[in-house]
Amino acid sequence: QSALTQPASVSGSPGQSITISCTGTSSDVGGYNYVSWYQQHPGKAPKLMIYDVSNRPSGVSHRFSGSKSGNTASLTISGLQAEDEADYYCSSHTSITTRVFGTGTKVIVL
Amino acid sequence: QVQLVQSGAEVKKPGASVEVSCKASGYTFTRYAIHWVRQAPGQRLEWMGWINPGNGNIKYSQKFQGRVTITRDISASTAYMELSSLRSQDTAVYYCARLGVDFWSGAGPDAFDIWGQGTMVTVSS
Repeated sequence: QSALTQPASVSGSPGQSITISCTGTSSDVGGYNYVSWYQQHPGKAPKLMIYDVSNRPSGVSHRFSGSKSGNTASLTISGLQAEDEADYYCSSHTSITTRVFGTGTKVIVL
Repeated sequence: QVQLVQSGAEVKKPGASVEVSCKASGYTFTRYAIHWVRQAPGQRLEWMGWINPGNGNIKYSQKFQGRVTITRDISASTAYMELSSLRSQDTAVYYCARLGVDFWSGAGPDAFDIWGQGTMVTVSS
């Protein structure tokens, strides 16, 4: 199972909005409404930010939102803040019992 | 609080095996799946497999099939991941993560909502 494709990096200035894409196939992203997104700061464990394509866990800022169209899912961060600088990974089912992660995107706050 | 606590760092020689443990607390261990994910230095997250602690059912990534074994001890609320025939490319941080779907109710996020702190495994001669 190949990794889902994400841009290597995305940058933006404080206050701006950025969008990270996550492209798969009809066998993973396109076939299930179970895309999730994770934030990972250096040396830390990942943190769940979005689940089931567009749902936010309690405690996650409303500045984070998710969507999906066809085989591509997206994570949007609005009102970018310095603390948002981190690596972000998408994940999807590849079957009802298996999973795959994306290649990862480094968000840079200018 | 709900947490997963993993065992400490390991240094192994090529060809050896390593076992990492993941102790759950703050919730009913048998109601949620435990997945294993690894991350080589500077690399992406890589899914390895999972176990249903309630009935012991397991599923492995094809990449690790034959080298990885995931088990659990219900009495200790602990899951284990053993990786054998280690090579230098297996040097990575290994994480356990809880899938948020409650087996009993079906409720909860279909995503990894709780993560262990990670265990660094170094393979070097």
